[in-house]
Amino acid sequence: SQQGEEDPQALSIQEGENATMNCSYKTSINNLQWYRQNSGRGLVHLILIRSNEREKHSGRLRVTLDTSKKSSSLLITASRAADTASYFCATVFYGNNRLAFGKGNQVVVIP
Amino acid sequence: NAGVTQTPKFQVLKTGQSMTLQCAQDMNHNSMYWYRQDPGMGLRLIYYSASEGTTDKGEVPNGYNVSRLNKREFSLRLESAAPSQTSVYFCASSVGLRRQVTNEKLFFGSGTQLSVL
Repeated sequence: SQQGEEDPQALSIQEGENATMNCSYKTSINNLQWYRQNSGRGLVHLILIRSNEREKHSGRLRVTLDTSKKSSSLLITASRAADTASYFCATVFYGNNRLAFGKGNQVVVIP
Repeated sequence: NAGVTQTPKFQVLKTGQSMTLQCAQDMNHNSMYWYRQDPGMGLRLIYYSASEGTTDKGEVPNGYNVSRLNKREFSLRLESAAPSQTSVYFCASSVGLRRQVTNEKLFFGSGTQLSVL
């Protein structure tokens, strides 16, 4: 499968702590994206990092990409209860304009 | 703007029944997608339409058909529903211009929860 795989699968943290989740993939990519899904809702795009980028920030989100290790990490700083959601990585492979999604990380932020 | 709108939100079918899931987007996007989401499986692509007038199979197309009715609308049809098609179905769209492929992010609808008994 060319899908990204997130690690860990489930994470429970206290409000204010940082949450880190990882994603690995198997083949060369065009870009990698992270999405959030709140319970019962559709996915919402968070951030996109291109294959020639190593780090990207958006508000409290920090994404890194290591193409040599075929992996990415998503860091949420100073977590809030509203950050409770599932987080998915998705990759776009060269020669393929479609996103392939990983299985998702469940993050629970305890107030 | 409404973004991506899916109907219905919930549906229960009996094995063998047929139904069509509707999807419409108001963002003037070229590309549209149908995914299914199952526990522990993530999202899997059923069909997609890169542009109006074209459709292509994704990862799990068996048992489904699609119609790109116009630029706004992309429907998914189950001709003879099976219990294995019990899932949450998501429609999504993206700008879909080839020169912007590196910026291709998807916009999702809120999903249709389908149960086949």
